Amino acid sequence: EAGVAQSPRYKIIEKRQSVAFWCNPISGHATLYWYQQILGQGPKLLIQFQNNGVVDDSQLPKDRFSAERLKGVDSTLKIQPAKLEDSAVYLCASSLIAGGPSTQYFGPGTRLTVL
Amino acid sequence: RKEVEQDPGPFNVPEGATVAFNCTYSNSASQSFFWYRQDCRKEPKLLMSVYSSGNEDGRFTAQLNRASQYISLLIRDSKLSDSATYLCVVNPASYDKVIFGPGTSLSVIP
Repeated sequence: EAGVAQSPRYKIIEKRQSVAFWCNPISGHATLYWYQQILGQGPKLLIQFQNNGVVDDSQLPKDRFSAERLKGVDSTLKIQPAKLEDSAVYLCASSLIAGGPSTQYFGPGTRLTVL
Repeated sequence: RKEVEQDPGPFNVPEGATVAFNCTYSNSASQSFFWYRQDCRKEPKLLMSVYSSGNEDGRFTAQLNRASQYISLLIRDSKLSDSATYLCVVNPASYDKVIFGPGTSLSVIP
């Protein structure tokens, strides 16, 4: 079974530029999560989708971050404009149902460096 | 107080040693608890769930103390391959949402 796919794997941009990340969850998984993991910290949930609806985006900095999940499958996360503190690994995860962490499968992440 | 806190580490132990990690959580209504493992520059992967009565999986033992609001992970007979960061994960009252701790780094030395 194919895992969660993410691209790009690495991205280097300058502050105030825009960037977008893509995630393709495991086939059939209804729930999709985006996490931000800053070096030395645990992953922090940014947004959770159930199919193509948003379940939780309470920790998403909506002034610069946006995410969508069209057709309830792939998802994109965008940052516009980027700040230095956005440097982190952005992890996408999916689960078959909204069933808690035991069912979440993570992608390899996108490592973002903002200069 | 942070919602989930862990031993700061890093832990550097010789092969064959026994090592224990602790994690505390602030929400007394938390329902589910897990340990994840994250290798360097890799994604987190579920190591084991933590059950109220405690549970064991090979060399790994997880314990939960609801009264004191902490969970622990014990690793016996450490292997070089156990070197990783161990993340404590707590599922608060809201079933879907999970909170990750900052992680504890373990290095097993030959």
